[in-house]
Amino acid sequence: DAGVTQSPTHLIKTRGQQVTLRCSPKSGHDTVSWYQQALGQGPQFIFQYYEEEERQRGNFPDRFSGHQFPNYSSELNVNALLLGDSALYLCASSSILDRQFFGPGTRLTVL
Amino acid sequence: QQQVKQSPQSLIVQKGGISIINCAYENTAFDYFPWYQQFPGKGPALLIAIRPDVSEKKEGRFTISFNKSAKQFSLHIMDSQPGDSATYFCAASMWNYGGSQGNLIFGKGTKLSVKP
Repeated sequence: DAGVTQSPTHLIKTRGQQVTLRCSPKSGHDTVSWYQQALGQGPQFIFQYYEEEERQRGNFPDRFSGHQFPNYSSELNVNALLLGDSALYLCASSSILDRQFFGPGTRLTVL
Repeated sequence: QQQVKQSPQSLIVQKGGISIINCAYENTAFDYFPWYQQFPGKGPALLIAIRPDVSEKKEGRFTISFNKSAKQFSLHIMDSQPGDSATYFCAASMWNYGGSQGNLIFGKGTKLSVKP
């Protein structure tokens, strides 16, 4: 059983561009949460998806949006990238019976 | 508003010693308190977690002590080893949010170095 997988592993973008990050949840999980981890900081909650809808949202601007597909996989989209968006983006999946498991993350660098 | 405060920021311990990391929370609605271990370039991995109905939980060399009245919890790593060198994060959440785990609020992390 492959745990939570994320793609790509690394990504380099320039300011103003748009980026899409992808996450496949652990088998049996139906809920996906996204976190942003800046260098030297703890992860910060962006939003959580369940049944293809955003269920919870943290304190992030509307430039951050997401989507969950019928197979429970998810995408995180960030528009109009800023230098401050450079971070490790973590996806975590969970279910009503199981806690959140984190993926390895996508390292985004904005130049 | 930071809801989970973690200390110390960094910690150096000799091999075989005890590592102690502390956290304090504000929201009394939190009912799930995990500790995560993170190595450079990797995602956080759950180490041990506790619910507020118990005051202590032990798993191998790792122990969580929980003080509900003080709204504090701590991680003790006994017989610390060089392989334990990593960044440790405490976190808190409401487990029963909509039937599954709500969002995790993380502390800022403690970088642990265990010297041989």
